[in-house]
Amino acid sequence: SQTIHQWPATLVQPVGSPLSLECTVEGTSNPNLYWYRQAAGRGLQLLFYSVGIGQISSEVPQNLSASRPQDRQFILSSKKLLLSDSGFYLCAWEVTGTYGYTFGSGTRLTVV
Amino acid sequence: AQTVTQSQPEMSVQEAETVTLSCTYDTSESDYYLFWYKQPPSRQMILVIRQEAYKQQNATENRFSVNFQKAAKSFSLKISDSQLGDAAMYFCAYRGSNYKLTFGKGTLLTVNP
Repeated sequence: SQTIHQWPATLVQPVGSPLSLECTVEGTSNPNLYWYRQAAGRGLQLLFYSVGIGQISSEVPQNLSASRPQDRQFILSSKKLLLSDSGFYLCAWEVTGTYGYTFGSGTRLTVV
Repeated sequence: AQTVTQSQPEMSVQEAETVTLSCTYDTSESDYYLFWYKQPPSRQMILVIRQEAYKQQNATENRFSVNFQKAAKSFSLKISDSQLGDAAMYFCAYRGSNYKLTFGKGTLLTVNP
């Protein structure tokens, strides 16, 4: 079966520390992968998406970056976190051509 | 750029009653997909229903149905026989040819017993 794993579920990090959030997909190949951020009480903002290994498109060029080292692995990173990076981060995948999106369970990031 | 507008920040409905959530979108494309997602307090995003723009027939999934008006660029969600478990944030979303899924700001639905 097709599943998506996202971790960690909760993270508290100090300002200026690095960040690495990981998302992996099982049971499919060549998915489109997405990172979204949801601020408290607001909608979802697309941060990055990838249609293949090494292919990253950025929607929000801030201090975040994304990488796709393997077909089913998508990583969200930061070298130095800001207070404004706090939020709920969701990974999603789409089997190419199906237009069906599945979301991970999310990571609640608090920068202190 | 495509935009999705949900004009109702909050809605409430009595249990067993029917409620309709509104969504409008702006696009110049003719082929696209529209979605309604539900986000309960757990914050897990759950797909409720999907509509292909090239299909004239409105999508239905059990108690959930949509009213898709392509010319008006309107995509409303109707929930029939509302249940307490339907209480959640509901997001309308658009997916065009550029791989991106664009969301509205959401409507918080409260179900009163």
